[in-house]
Amino acid sequence: DVKVTQSSRYLVKRTGEKVFLECVQDMDHENMFWYRQDPGLGLRLIYFSYDVKMKEKGDIPEGYSVSREKKERFSLILESASTNQTSMYLCASSSTGTSLIDTQYFGPGTRLTVL
Amino acid sequence: AQRVTQPEKLLSVFKGAPVELKCNYSYSGSPELFWYVQYSRQRLQLLLRHISRESIKGFTADLNKGETSFHLKKPFAQEEDSAMYYCALRNRDDKIIFGKGTRLHILP
Repeated sequence: DVKVTQSSRYLVKRTGEKVFLECVQDMDHENMFWYRQDPGLGLRLIYFSYDVKMKEKGDIPEGYSVSREKKERFSLILESASTNQTSMYLCASSSTGTSLIDTQYFGPGTRLTVL
Repeated sequence: AQRVTQPEKLLSVFKGAPVELKCNYSYSGSPELFWYVQYSRQRLQLLLRHISRESIKGFTADLNKGETSFHLKKPFAQEEDSAMYYCALRNRDDKIIFGKGTRLHILP
């Protein structure tokens, strides 16, 4: 059973703070993703990584950075948190290969509130 | 442009009635399409994908290339079907493009 875990379920931070959101997967997946989920906007891709030390910008990368030093871990960093980054953040991972196994598995989400 | 459109934000259906959640896509090439579901307080999970032509929890979805649609259907709604449903497309770069989601509310 694939497990994708995120370090916190709920997080409250102040404007200007540096925030780290951690995601770990235990299935040796090559690909990892960070999304934010907002009502009425659905899921929007922030960044993704298809290999260690590789990263690609998604649709809304501004204000975020990522780090993939190890295959199993993908970190999302908010250098200076702002109130418009209050959201639910979802991490996902997937394996590169045939379509039958190439599905994304999601973590439980981190609800971040920036005051 | 690659796009997934779910025209309904909210769909309310009586228990036992048929359900159809609409999804239209825009993609040049052969798309790979999915439906994801998120029940209250649970993680997002894959419901079904078009290539396997499966039926999960009574739901089916047929890819209609002529109409560029991948509507999700169930003949008889159950209360436990209440959830947020996302249609998604995987492109050749392995990116998943999600629709904005439809909240399905099953009325007793």
